[in-house]
Amino acid sequence: AQSVAQPEDQVNVAEGNPLTVKCTYSVSGNPYLFWYVQYPNRGLQFLLKYITGDNLVKGSYGFEAEFNKSQTSFHLKKPSALVSDSALYFCAVSRTTSNTGKLIFGQGTTLQVKP
Amino acid sequence: EAGVAQSPRYKIIEKRQSVAFWCNPISGHATLYWYQQILGQGPKLLIQFQNNGVVDDSQLPKDRFSAERLKGVDSTLKIQPAKLEDSAVYLCASRAGLAGSTSTDTQYFGPGTRLTVL
Repeated sequence: AQSVAQPEDQVNVAEGNPLTVKCTYSVSGNPYLFWYVQYPNRGLQFLLKYITGDNLVKGSYGFEAEFNKSQTSFHLKKPSALVSDSALYFCAVSRTTSNTGKLIFGQGTTLQVKP
Repeated sequence: EAGVAQSPRYKIIEKRQSVAFWCNPISGHATLYWYQQILGQGPKLLIQFQNNGVVDDSQLPKDRFSAERLKGVDSTLKIQPAKLEDSAVYLCASRAGLAGSTSTDTQYFGPGTRLTVL
């Protein structure tokens, strides 16, 4: 069965420091991987995705993610965190063989960036 | 380009009442999804439409939930009767591609409807 794990409920980082939000996945076949961000009382906003090719994917607002097939991971990173990055982050996977585009989400990680 | 629109944004009802949510996807998007997001959890798919046909409703509690997308554009999700455990945010998402095509394009989400069942 497909699944996504975000092992940290919350990540705390000081403004200006690098941040990492972890994600591991389990899916048969090749995965499509996504990161979304959710601000309070808002819907999910797309950040980036990995489909194929370069393992390092760059997305919106300076975020990037690294796909690691051997470790089945897709960690979200940013070199220098901003207070405005504080939000709830979701990793999601869809299975290439399903053809429906259905997303399986992790439980989410709250990022808290302190000034 | 306008995003996915949903209404109402908030709804409070008593258990056993009925409620309906509306979604207008991004113009031209063939595929529409309804997700349920319970507090502290990631969204879970309820139902997926391609144009006006159902692609996947395996996780929809069909004894109380129903959904339609009659003209292949707008969609409504209904709960009748509501239970306390239905309290959640209901998210609508749309995607340009069709089910059956390689699903590399992005799903875009609306702001959601927060339902509270008392």
